[in-house]
Amino acid sequence: EDKVVQSPLSLVVHEGDTVTLNCSYEVTNFRSLLWYKQEKKAPTFLFMLTSSGIEKKSGRLSSILDKKELFSILNITATQTGDSAVYLCAVAKSRAGNNRKLIWGLGTSLAVNP
Amino acid sequence: GAGVSQSPSNKVTEKGKDVELRCDPISGHTALYWYRQSLGQGLEFLIYFQGNSAPDKSGLPSDRFSAERTGGSVSTLTIQRTQQEDSAVYLCASSLQAQDTQYFGPGTRLTVL
Repeated sequence: EDKVVQSPLSLVVHEGDTVTLNCSYEVTNFRSLLWYKQEKKAPTFLFMLTSSGIEKKSGRLSSILDKKELFSILNITATQTGDSAVYLCAVAKSRAGNNRKLIWGLGTSLAVNP
Repeated sequence: GAGVSQSPSNKVTEKGKDVELRCDPISGHTALYWYRQSLGQGLEFLIYFQGNSAPDKSGLPSDRFSAERTGGSVSTLTIQRTQQEDSAVYLCASSLQAQDTQYFGPGTRLTVL
């Protein structure tokens, strides 16, 4: 059965800290891995990763994929209170047709205290 | 351009009533997905539309749930004879054809009393 596992489930840090969030997967016919940030209701897209070892970066956030060991990490440097959110990881499979149904992890809840 | 919109943002209903939730995807996005997220839980896939057809309905939890999409755009998720366990946030997402990145609407919070 396909699964995506995120760790830790929750994390509390102080402003300025650096955090690393983990996402491991066991999915047949892997196509891509996506990271989202969910603050209230709607998840917002952060990164999509398809190739191993190529870092994607946006400001203080970066992510990398390891397709051999089947995991990805999301790094946030110099954390701010606005980074407090649930970070979701999802995997897209190659399927017949255009179905890109994503397999979701349960998320990591990050709280950044001032 | 405009993002995915959903209405209503909140819906409170009594057990046994029917509800309709609406999703208006990003213009030009042919793929549309409905998800459900219960409190403290992950995203649960419900149904996928490509154009007006639904090739994957595997996530609909019971025959009380149905969805349709017209004109390749707006979609409506209908829950008949609502139960308390239907209380959740219902999220809609859209994407370009055959693209993995999905863009989410703000969701509808459904509370069944």
